Amino acid sequence: GENVEQHPSTLSVQEGDSAVIKCTYSDSASNYFPWYKQELGKRPQLIIDIRSNVGEKKDQRIAVTLNKTAKHFSLHITETQPEDSAVYFCAASRLYNFNKFYFGSGTKLNVKP
Amino acid sequence: EAGVAQSPRYKIIEKRQSVAFWCNPISGHATLYWYQQILGQGPKLLIQFQNNGVVDDSQLPKDRFSAERLKGVDSTLKIQPAKLEDSAVYLCASSPYRVGRLSNQPQHFGDGTRLSIL
Repeated sequence: GENVEQHPSTLSVQEGDSAVIKCTYSDSASNYFPWYKQELGKRPQLIIDIRSNVGEKKDQRIAVTLNKTAKHFSLHITETQPEDSAVYFCAASRLYNFNKFYFGSGTKLNVKP
Repeated sequence: EAGVAQSPRYKIIEKRQSVAFWCNPISGHATLYWYQQILGQGPKLLIQFQNNGVVDDSQLPKDRFSAERLKGVDSTLKIQPAKLEDSAVYLCASSPYRVGRLSNQPQHFGDGTRLSIL
Protein backbone atom coordinates (compact mmCIF):
# COMPACT_ATOMS: atom_id res chain seq x y z
CA GLY A 1 0.00 0.00 0.00
CA GLU A 2 0.87 3.68 -0.04
CA ASN A 3 3.43 5.12 2.40
CA VAL A 4 3.41 8.86 3.11
CA GLU A 5 6.32 10.43 4.97
CA GLN A 6 6.16 13.97 6.32
CA HIS A 7 8.95 16.31 7.44
CA PRO A 8 9.75 18.05 9.66
CA SER A 9 7.87 16.74 12.68
CA THR A 10 8.13 20.14 14.37
CA LEU A 11 8.72 23.57 12.89
CA SER A 12 9.16 26.84 14.69
CA VAL A 13 9.13 30.14 12.78
CA GLN A 14 8.93 33.81 13.62
CA GLU A 15 5.72 35.61 12.79
CA GLY A 16 5.90 36.94 9.25
CA ASP A 17 8.34 34.29 8.06
CA SER A 18 7.47 31.50 5.63
CA ALA A 19 6.96 27.86 6.58
CA VAL A 20 7.40 24.82 4.33
CA ILE A 21 6.28 21.29 5.10
CA LYS A 22 7.22 18.41 2.80
CA CYS A 23 5.67 15.03 2.13
CA THR A 24 6.80 12.14 -0.01
CA TYR A 25 4.66 9.26 -1.23
CA SER A 26 5.49 5.83 -2.60
CA ASP A 27 2.56 4.92 -4.87
CA SER A 28 3.01 6.51 -8.29
CA ALA A 29 -0.72 5.99 -8.88
CA SER A 30 -1.63 8.47 -6.12
CA ASN A 31 -3.24 11.49 -7.70
CA TYR A 32 -4.99 13.51 -5.01
CA PHE A 33 -3.22 15.23 -2.13
CA PRO A 34 -5.11 17.14 0.57
CA TRP A 35 -3.62 19.05 3.48
CA TYR A 36 -5.35 19.28 6.85
CA LYS A 37 -4.83 21.68 9.74
CA GLN A 38 -5.64 20.44 13.23
CA GLU A 39 -5.70 22.88 16.11
CA LEU A 40 -5.36 21.52 19.62
CA GLY A 41 -8.45 19.57 20.60
CA LYS A 42 -10.22 20.26 17.33
CA ARG A 43 -11.09 18.37 14.19
CA PRO A 44 -8.75 18.23 11.18
CA GLN A 45 -9.84 20.85 8.67
CA LEU A 46 -9.08 20.73 4.96
CA ILE A 47 -7.06 23.80 4.05
CA ILE A 48 -5.95 23.07 0.50
CA ASP A 49 -5.72 20.17 -1.91
CA ILE A 50 -4.14 19.41 -5.27
CA ARG A 51 -4.78 16.91 -8.01
CA SER A 52 -2.01 15.42 -10.10
CA ASN A 53 -2.98 17.29 -13.26
CA VAL A 54 -1.57 20.54 -11.83
CA GLY A 55 1.79 21.40 -10.34
CA GLU A 56 0.80 24.21 -8.00
CA LYS A 57 -2.26 25.66 -6.32
CA LYS A 58 -2.55 28.81 -4.24
CA ASP A 59 -5.13 30.15 -1.84
CA GLN A 60 -4.14 33.48 -0.31
CA ARG A 61 -1.17 32.77 1.98
CA ILE A 62 -1.21 29.03 1.40
CA ALA A 63 0.16 27.14 -1.59
CA VAL A 64 0.81 23.52 -2.41
CA THR A 65 3.31 22.27 -4.99
CA LEU A 66 3.47 18.80 -6.48
CA ASN A 67 6.38 17.05 -8.17
CA LYS A 68 5.01 13.82 -9.64
CA THR A 69 8.37 12.67 -10.92
CA ALA A 70 9.98 12.90 -7.51
CA LYS A 71 6.77 11.86 -5.75
CA HIS A 72 6.71 14.69 -3.29
CA PHE A 73 4.43 17.58 -2.48
CA SER A 74 4.87 20.54 -0.18
CA LEU A 75 2.76 23.02 1.76
CA HIS A 76 3.95 26.62 1.77
CA ILE A 77 2.61 29.19 4.20
CA THR A 78 3.75 32.78 3.69
CA GLU A 79 3.55 35.68 6.15
CA THR A 80 2.84 33.31 9.00
CA GLN A 81 0.64 34.44 11.87
CA PRO A 82 0.24 33.07 15.40
CA GLU A 83 -3.13 31.58 14.42
CA ASP A 84 -1.31 29.38 11.91
CA SER A 85 0.09 27.45 14.88
CA ALA A 86 -1.34 23.93 14.64
CA VAL A 87 -0.52 20.41 13.49
CA TYR A 88 -0.58 19.97 9.73
CA PHE A 89 -1.18 16.61 8.03
CA CYS A 90 -0.65 15.67 4.43
CA ALA A 91 -2.46 12.77 2.80
CA ALA A 92 -2.54 10.91 -0.49
CA SER A 93 -5.09 8.85 -2.35
CA ARG A 94 -5.49 7.35 -5.78
CA LEU A 95 -8.32 6.83 -8.19
CA TYR A 96 -10.59 3.82 -8.07
CA ASN A 97 -9.55 2.92 -4.53
CA PHE A 98 -12.77 3.81 -2.74
CA ASN A 99 -11.41 7.22 -1.76
CA LYS A 100 -9.02 5.69 0.75
CA PHE A 101 -6.45 8.07 2.26
CA TYR A 102 -2.97 7.57 3.65
CA PHE A 103 -1.81 10.21 6.12
CA GLY A 104 1.58 11.59 7.03
CA SER A 105 2.61 11.66 10.67
CA GLY A 106 2.03 15.40 11.05
CA THR A 107 4.05 18.59 11.52
CA LYS A 108 3.60 20.74 14.57
CA LEU A 109 4.00 24.35 13.48
CA ASN A 110 4.69 26.98 16.10
CA VAL A 111 4.57 30.61 15.00
CA LYS A 112 6.25 32.85 17.53
CA PRO A 113 4.86 36.39 17.84
CA GLU B 1 -24.38 22.10 5.53
CA ALA B 2 -24.21 20.41 8.92
CA GLY B 3 -20.88 18.77 9.70
CA VAL B 4 -20.00 15.30 10.87
CA ALA B 5 -21.45 14.74 14.33
CA GLN B 6 -19.81 12.52 16.91
CA SER B 7 -20.63 11.61 20.47
CA PRO B 8 -19.57 11.51 23.17
CA ARG B 9 -16.75 14.09 23.07
CA TYR B 10 -14.95 12.53 26.02
CA LYS B 11 -15.04 9.14 27.66
CA ILE B 12 -13.11 7.74 30.59
CA ILE B 13 -13.33 4.04 31.36
CA GLU B 14 -11.30 1.40 33.13
CA LYS B 15 -9.45 -1.26 31.21
CA ARG B 16 -11.52 -4.31 30.31
CA GLN B 17 -14.70 -2.24 30.20
CA SER B 18 -16.60 -1.66 26.98
CA VAL B 19 -17.30 1.61 25.19
CA ALA B 20 -19.22 2.73 22.12
CA PHE B 21 -18.90 5.78 19.89
CA TRP B 22 -21.48 7.17 17.53
CA CYS B 23 -21.08 9.06 14.26
CA ASN B 24 -23.56 10.80 11.99
CA PRO B 25 -21.96 11.74 8.67
CA ILE B 26 -22.81 14.67 6.43
CA SER B 27 -26.10 14.04 4.69
CA GLY B 28 -25.60 12.27 1.38
CA HIS B 29 -22.04 11.16 2.05
CA ALA B 30 -21.76 7.53 1.06
CA THR B 31 -18.30 6.90 2.49
CA LEU B 32 -17.67 6.84 6.22
CA TYR B 33 -14.34 6.35 7.98
CA TRP B 34 -13.27 5.62 11.54
CA TYR B 35 -9.75 6.65 12.48
CA GLN B 36 -7.70 6.20 15.62
CA GLN B 37 -5.39 9.11 16.40
CA ILE B 38 -2.82 8.56 19.10
CA LEU B 39 -1.26 11.72 20.54
CA GLY B 40 1.48 13.04 18.24
CA GLN B 41 0.58 10.79 15.33
CA GLY B 42 -1.43 10.98 12.16
CA PRO B 43 -4.87 9.39 11.85
CA LYS B 44 -4.80 5.62 11.40
CA LEU B 45 -7.68 4.12 9.46
CA LEU B 46 -9.59 1.50 11.43
CA ILE B 47 -12.50 0.85 9.10
CA GLN B 48 -14.04 2.36 5.99
CA PHE B 49 -17.63 1.92 4.83
CA GLN B 50 -19.20 2.66 1.50
CA ASN B 51 -22.91 2.89 2.20
CA ASN B 52 -23.43 -0.04 4.58
CA GLY B 53 -20.67 -2.24 3.16
CA VAL B 54 -17.13 -2.53 4.53
CA VAL B 55 -14.44 -1.37 2.11
CA ASP B 56 -11.41 -1.82 4.36
CA ASP B 57 -11.06 -3.11 7.91
CA SER B 58 -7.56 -4.49 7.62
CA GLN B 59 -6.27 -2.48 10.60
CA LEU B 60 -9.24 -3.03 12.87
CA PRO B 61 -8.32 -5.23 15.87
CA LYS B 62 -11.27 -7.49 15.34
CA ASP B 63 -10.82 -9.39 18.59
CA ARG B 64 -11.92 -6.28 20.48
CA PHE B 65 -13.17 -3.67 18.01
CA SER B 66 -16.37 -3.82 15.99
CA ALA B 67 -18.20 -1.31 13.84
CA GLU B 68 -21.43 -1.19 11.96
CA ARG B 69 -23.24 1.17 9.67
CA LEU B 70 -26.80 0.01 9.50
CA LYS B 71 -28.92 1.60 6.76
CA GLY B 72 -25.83 3.29 5.34
CA VAL B 73 -26.10 6.43 7.47
CA ASP B 74 -25.10 6.49 11.17
CA SER B 75 -22.30 4.33 12.43
CA THR B 76 -21.15 2.99 15.77
CA LEU B 77 -17.69 1.83 16.80
CA LYS B 78 -17.35 -0.42 19.83
CA ILE B 79 -14.41 -1.56 21.90
CA GLN B 80 -14.83 -4.56 24.16
CA PRO B 81 -12.78 -5.10 26.26
CA ALA B 82 -10.70 -1.92 26.27
CA LYS B 83 -6.94 -1.97 26.79
CA LEU B 84 -4.66 0.80 28.00
CA GLU B 85 -3.21 1.22 24.48
CA ASP B 86 -6.67 2.12 23.16
CA SER B 87 -6.36 5.56 24.75
CA ALA B 88 -6.64 7.87 21.76
CA VAL B 89 -8.94 10.20 19.87
CA TYR B 90 -11.40 8.37 17.64
CA LEU B 91 -12.24 10.41 14.58
CA CYS B 92 -15.11 9.84 12.23
CA ALA B 93 -15.00 11.29 8.74
CA SER B 94 -17.22 11.17 5.68
CA SER B 95 -16.89 11.94 2.00
CA PRO B 96 -19.21 12.01 -0.98
CA TYR B 97 -19.17 9.32 -3.62
CA ARG B 98 -18.24 10.32 -7.14
CA VAL B 99 -17.40 8.24 -10.18
CA GLY B 100 -14.61 8.47 -12.67
CA ARG B 101 -11.80 10.97 -12.42
CA LEU B 102 -13.49 12.86 -9.59
CA SER B 103 -13.71 9.79 -7.38
CA ASN B 104 -11.14 11.33 -5.02
CA GLN B 105 -13.05 13.65 -2.76
CA PRO B 106 -11.93 15.42 0.44
CA GLN B 107 -12.93 14.01 3.78
CA HIS B 108 -14.80 15.97 6.38
CA PHE B 109 -13.98 15.13 9.98
CA GLY B 110 -15.99 15.21 13.17
CA ASP B 111 -14.64 16.62 16.42
CA GLY B 112 -13.68 13.16 17.63
CA THR B 113 -14.11 11.27 20.88
CA ARG B 114 -11.21 11.44 23.29
CA LEU B 115 -10.99 8.08 25.08
CA SER B 116 -8.95 7.66 28.24
CA ILE B 117 -8.39 4.20 29.69
CA LEU B 118 -7.51 4.00 33.38
